[in-house]
Amino acid sequence: DGGITQSPKYLFRKEGQNVTLSCEQNLNHDAMYWYRQDPGQGLRLIYYSQIVNDFQKGDIAEGYSVSREKKESFPLTVTSAQKNPTAFYLCASSNLAGVANTGELFFGEGSRLTVL
Amino acid sequence: RKEVEQDPGPFNVPEGATVAFNCTYSNSASQSFFWYRQDCRKEPKLLMSVYSSGNEDGRFTAQLNRASQYISLLIRDSKLSDSATYLCVVNTGFQKLVFGTGTRLLVSP
Repeated sequence: DGGITQSPKYLFRKEGQNVTLSCEQNLNHDAMYWYRQDPGQGLRLIYYSQIVNDFQKGDIAEGYSVSREKKESFPLTVTSAQKNPTAFYLCASSNLAGVANTGELFFGEGSRLTVL
Repeated sequence: RKEVEQDPGPFNVPEGATVAFNCTYSNSASQSFFWYRQDCRKEPKLLMSVYSSGNEDGRFTAQLNRASQYISLLIRDSKLSDSATYLCVVNTGFQKLVFGTGTRLLVSP
């Protein structure tokens, strides 16, 4: 089945540790995105990538890093520099035309990160 | 001012009721508009696009008022299964979608 797979679903981390969240898609989509969602807040864009080996900062990129070495994969690293990392992280993908025309982002099921 | 603003709710309505949600956006150059639905602790999913002429999908009607920078979603004959958070989403350009905080709907028997 085509879709987006995020792992792990739940992750606990100690303060000061980096953690990498995986995102893989087999939809052949060009664009991939990472969002963060906190209670009572909308989704906020962390990073996005429209093509392999290229990515742009979103609105809250500080303390995060990404790579796009393959079209299918867009991992997110939450570094120790991120002050409030506990959140629900959502990865999404789309065709470039799709976002503008239909607004359809295909989301993974999300990863819940808790920093202890 | 937030780019996309919504009343967080919750809106508590009985089954069969009609309920409307509103959303305002600040960037007048925004290009396209959408409503997403998000169930509790799940990922958001596209509900429908919003066109200036207004569009309908079954019990759901979406409207856009560009002059007032205002979007609405109307749900008729509410079902229990409509209980969810409804996210207003705006494409501000460059393939960037900005999400509102969402409006929570609770439909009771």
